[in-house]
Amino acid sequence: AQTVTQSQPEMSVQEAETVTLSCTYDTSENNYYLFWYKQPPSRQMILVIRQEAYKQQNATENRFSVNFQKAAKSFSLKISDSQLGDTAMYFCAFAGAQKLVFGQGTRLTINP
Amino acid sequence: DAGITQSPRHKVTETGTPVTLRCHQTENHRYMYWYRQDPGHGLRLIHYSYGVKDTDKGEVSDGYSVSRSKTEDFLLTLESATSSQTSVYFCAISVARDLYEQYFGPGTRLTVT
Repeated sequence: AQTVTQSQPEMSVQEAETVTLSCTYDTSENNYYLFWYKQPPSRQMILVIRQEAYKQQNATENRFSVNFQKAAKSFSLKISDSQLGDTAMYFCAFAGAQKLVFGQGTRLTINP
Repeated sequence: DAGITQSPRHKVTETGTPVTLRCHQTENHRYMYWYRQDPGHGLRLIHYSYGVKDTDKGEVSDGYSVSRSKTEDFLLTLESATSSQTSVYFCAISVARDLYEQYFGPGTRLTVT
């Protein structure tokens, strides 16, 4: 069974700083997808970024980028120029066979 | 916006009572999912459906049942609610073009007293 681990329960940075959230996973599959979801206080789950395992190039979406290390089974999220609106819970998720497995989440606070 | 609504959005119920949560989608997506969210656990899959009357269990299915008689509705039932089922429940769908990517409804906060 796949497992996803987020080792940082909480993080806090100043506005405009760069922050990196860590995620590791365990799987025996070779083809899969990885995602980062954001959950602001509104509770809505919002897809931030995705990475296909067969792609070596790291995904980027505006200020959000990932560092995907397939051999190490590591999938970290970097937020550049952080903004107050980035304050949220962030969940890493592994997708195989149309099912998502989530990590425990990291609570990120951006301070003014 | 994947056109997903959940009802009710909040509910308080007593131990031993039956509860049904509804997920409704407007875009005829084939795959639908029910998750629960608890502190320290992230989201965990309860049940999912891959078509009308086609459902399967997730990792935390005990105490829950589901039904899907129409493409647009996926119902989650707690036959006899327990305090351990106090949680936030999310419905999700996969879009046909990419079954790995899921979009979530707004969630239902259920409290069992």
